[in-house]
Amino acid sequence: DARVTQTPRDKVTEMGQEVTMRCQPILGHNTVFWYRQTMMQGLELLAYFRNRAPLDDSGMPKDRFSAEMPDATLATLKIQPSEPRDSAVYFCASGLEPSGRATGELFFGEGSRLTVL
Amino acid sequence: DAKTTQPNSMESNEEEPVHLPCNHSTISGTDYIHWYRQLPSQGPEYVIHGLTSNVNNRMASLAIAEDRKSSTLILHRATLRDAAVYYCILRDGDNNDMRFGAGTRLTVKP
Repeated sequence: DARVTQTPRDKVTEMGQEVTMRCQPILGHNTVFWYRQTMMQGLELLAYFRNRAPLDDSGMPKDRFSAEMPDATLATLKIQPSEPRDSAVYFCASGLEPSGRATGELFFGEGSRLTVL
Repeated sequence: DAKTTQPNSMESNEEEPVHLPCNHSTISGTDYIHWYRQLPSQGPEYVIHGLTSNVNNRMASLAIAEDRKSSTLILHRATLRDAAVYYCILRDGDNNDMRFGAGTRLTVKP
C-alpha cells in the first residue's frame, strides 16, 4: 500500500534549535508539496517541487525556512532557528503529474507535529 | 488567485445524502475543481475533481454548474466516518499551485 511517509511524527524542541522534517514521496511521483496547518491559519502552502526542482517557495519565511529535494525519494523542510510561532502540523504531499498538468490527485502524509517551546 | 466560497459548517443525518456547495465565480477556463477532505487528526484526502462535466467515483459525485461558477459535492449516503472538513479548491491546469481555503466542516448525526 503506497503512502507518503513523514518523519518525525512528533517533535518538541526549544526556541533557537534547528529542526529538520523529512518526507518520502510515493515512488514514481514527481511533484512534492509542503503545507503547514495551524488552528488560526488553516492549511498554508509553503513550497512545492516538480521533478525535484522548486517551483514556488513564496509561502515560506525565507530567513529561517528552507526546502530541498536531495533526490527523488526524499524531501526535507528545515527551520533554523526555530521559533514558538513555528509550532504547527507540517504536511507533505506527493502526486504524479508527468506533463506538468496539475490535474492529478495529491497523496498526503500523516504530518509532523512540531512544538517549539 | 481564483477563490472559492464555502459554508463554514453543515450538518447531516447518517444514511442521508449530503450536498456540499462551493461558489467559484472567478473561475478561469483552465481551472480544475478539486475536492479534498480532512478527517480529524489526519492529512487531507483526495475526494474527486473535474473540469466541466459531472464526475462520479466510489466516494462521491461532483456536479458542476453549466457556467462553472459553482459546484456541489454529493455524498450519496453519509456515514459517521464522513464527518470531516471538506475543501473545494480551484487548481490551474497550467500551474501546480494548490491552496486550501477554510472549507466546510461536516457533522454527521447518528
